[in-house]
Amino acid sequence: EPEVTQTPSHQVTQMGQEVILRCVPISNHLYFYWYRQILGQKVEFLVSFYNNEISEKSEIFDDQFSVERPDGSNFTLKIRSTKLEDSAMYFCASKVPNYGYTFGSGTRLTVV
Amino acid sequence: SQQGEEDPQALSIQEGENATMNCSYKTSINNLQWYRQNSGRGLVHLILIRSNEREKHSGRLRVTLDTSKKSSSLLITASRAADTASYFCANLRGNDMRFGAGTRLTVKP
Repeated sequence: EPEVTQTPSHQVTQMGQEVILRCVPISNHLYFYWYRQILGQKVEFLVSFYNNEISEKSEIFDDQFSVERPDGSNFTLKIRSTKLEDSAMYFCASKVPNYGYTFGSGTRLTVV
Repeated sequence: SQQGEEDPQALSIQEGENATMNCSYKTSINNLQWYRQNSGRGLVHLILIRSNEREKHSGRLRVTLDTSKKSSSLLITASRAADTASYFCANLRGNDMRFGAGTRLTVKP
């Protein structure tokens, strides 16, 4: 069964450093998403991406965040200058219209 | 908000019992989905129910949808210890989805 792959599974970074979280969506999917989940809290929408541009973003997705689909297979989330409160699980998802999302297994980001 | 909101927030039952979790949402939907998350792990899609459907089954799972009340329920029958997880409903409107806070289900052996 096709999977959404996320790497790394766990990343530890110093506060203020840039991190790039990587995702390989399912190849025929058209819509791509990033969500995050702070430990013990609900899954929060960050951004959706379609047709090579952001289609919607939440208030969490400020200027520190950016997304790219650089080569037609990878979908990345960059955090420019990490803060302690960016520590969370980050989930990538992809889908085709009117069907359920397929989520990756997540990247646990720890900012120290 | 498009988010689903589940209740109860936590549910503890004995193995073999049925577990019912409810979800309410505020906006109109195209479909509503239920996901499961084991502690610290990824989200697993369980069932998608479309806005024109009222009930759907998948194995021991039964989902109902009442669009007039903007609510859905997930029933797990004959629960097992391995069903222990958090369960989320997610409201899909268009192509974007928002999650509720989830119900933490504990099934005691």
